[in-house]
Amino acid sequence: GAVVSQHPSWVICKSGTSVKIECRSLDFQATTMFWYRQFPKQSLMLMATSNEGSKATYEQGVEKDKFLINHASLTLSTLTVTSAHPEDSSFYICSARVGQRRYEQYFGPGTRLTVT
Amino acid sequence: AQKVTQAQTEISVVEKEDVTLDCVYETRDTTYYLFWYKQPPSGELVFLIRRNSFDEQNEISGRYSWNFQKSTSSFNFTITASQVVDSAVYFCALSEVNDMRFGAGTRLTVKP
Repeated sequence: GAVVSQHPSWVICKSGTSVKIECRSLDFQATTMFWYRQFPKQSLMLMATSNEGSKATYEQGVEKDKFLINHASLTLSTLTVTSAHPEDSSFYICSARVGQRRYEQYFGPGTRLTVT
Repeated sequence: AQKVTQAQTEISVVEKEDVTLDCVYETRDTTYYLFWYKQPPSGELVFLIRRNSFDEQNEISGRYSWNFQKSTSSFNFTITASQVVDSAVYFCALSEVNDMRFGAGTRLTVKP
């Protein structure tokens, strides 16, 4: 099956710093990638949708200036959490669709972010 | 509005019991896809099944079975003869044109 990788798998950063999370589709081209956030014992909440070469579409309540998403190629999307605060600590999961196939979406293993 | 509803927050059963996890969805799309995922403590989602809106055939895979009913907008998941290894959080998800959204999840605990 298709593989989506995320790097790093976990990261600890200090409050006020920025951290970048990479999401790569290893063996397919992903026109559309998604970023989800999951707080402990909660569901995956969609943060934003990004299409290659376009600006990301953010869900209501997600600060676009705080969570910068760049989908510069068909295999790479990055999420940068700027000026991180402890409340940004969460499990971030990316997902990628194979071309335009909305029935074929693969998930990365997730990145656990802890802001101290 | 919540598009995927999993009303059962937590379920606890004893090994070998059968258990059904409920999922109700809401969509205006005529073509959509429904999924079930398992999330063990590691956090990585494990794909279990995908169903498209035009295929209402029920499916069985080993101890797992799924019942899709468009008339009631439900896509329920049954584990037969549950095992301790089935303990996890299970998510139902709906994929529409632009995105995939998840239900709140059901935490299943199977006790020996």
